[in-house]
Amino acid sequence: AQSVTQLGSHVSVSEGALVLLRCNYSSSVPPYLFWYVQYPNQGLQLLLKYTTGATLVKGINGFEAEFKKSETSFHLTKPSAHMSDAAEYFCAVFGNNRKLIWGLGTSLAVNP
Amino acid sequence: GAVVSQHPSRVICKSGTSVKIECRSLDFQATTMFWYRQFPKQSLMLMATSNEGSKATYEQGVEKDKFLINHASLTLSTLTVTSAHPEDSSFYICSASLIAGPYNEQFFGPGTRLTVL
Repeated sequence: AQSVTQLGSHVSVSEGALVLLRCNYSSSVPPYLFWYVQYPNQGLQLLLKYTTGATLVKGINGFEAEFKKSETSFHLTKPSAHMSDAAEYFCAVFGNNRKLIWGLGTSLAVNP
Repeated sequence: GAVVSQHPSRVICKSGTSVKIECRSLDFQATTMFWYRQFPKQSLMLMATSNEGSKATYEQGVEKDKFLINHASLTLSTLTVTSAHPEDSSFYICSASLIAGPYNEQFFGPGTRLTVL
């Protein structure tokens, strides 16, 4: 069965520090992977996705993620956190049933 | 492009009443629409998958008579919470999907906050 695990339900960083949000997946087929961001009381916005090709994927707002097949990981990073990055982040894999399978989410806090 | 709207953004209703939430894809025709429910500080829970012109497919444990879904066109799906009760209070999010090769890309609406008194 396919699944997504996000390590760390809460991550806190200082403004300007590196952001690292972890996502591991389980899939028997080549995965299509997504990172979404959700600001309070809003819907979800796609940050980036991996489908095929280059394993380092760049997204919006300075975020990027690297698909590592050997580690079954798709961690999200940003070199320098900004206060506006405080939000909930969700990792998802496209399932065999053509639905998204979601991680539980990671709440990112950015401290001044 | 790929904008999805939801209406209303917030609704407060009395217990026993029904509430309709609309989900529209504004600039594209969606092959499929999804309805999610999200509890505070939790992930998204898929409620149902909706295709235009056919009956919605509900996830296990979701009452189809409680959560009525109508997918009238390729740009509009509605979720009606019938005889709402306080336990139905939640954040409801829809998404509209485009087939992008071997996967579907989902575009999300801004969500509807339902409070049942």
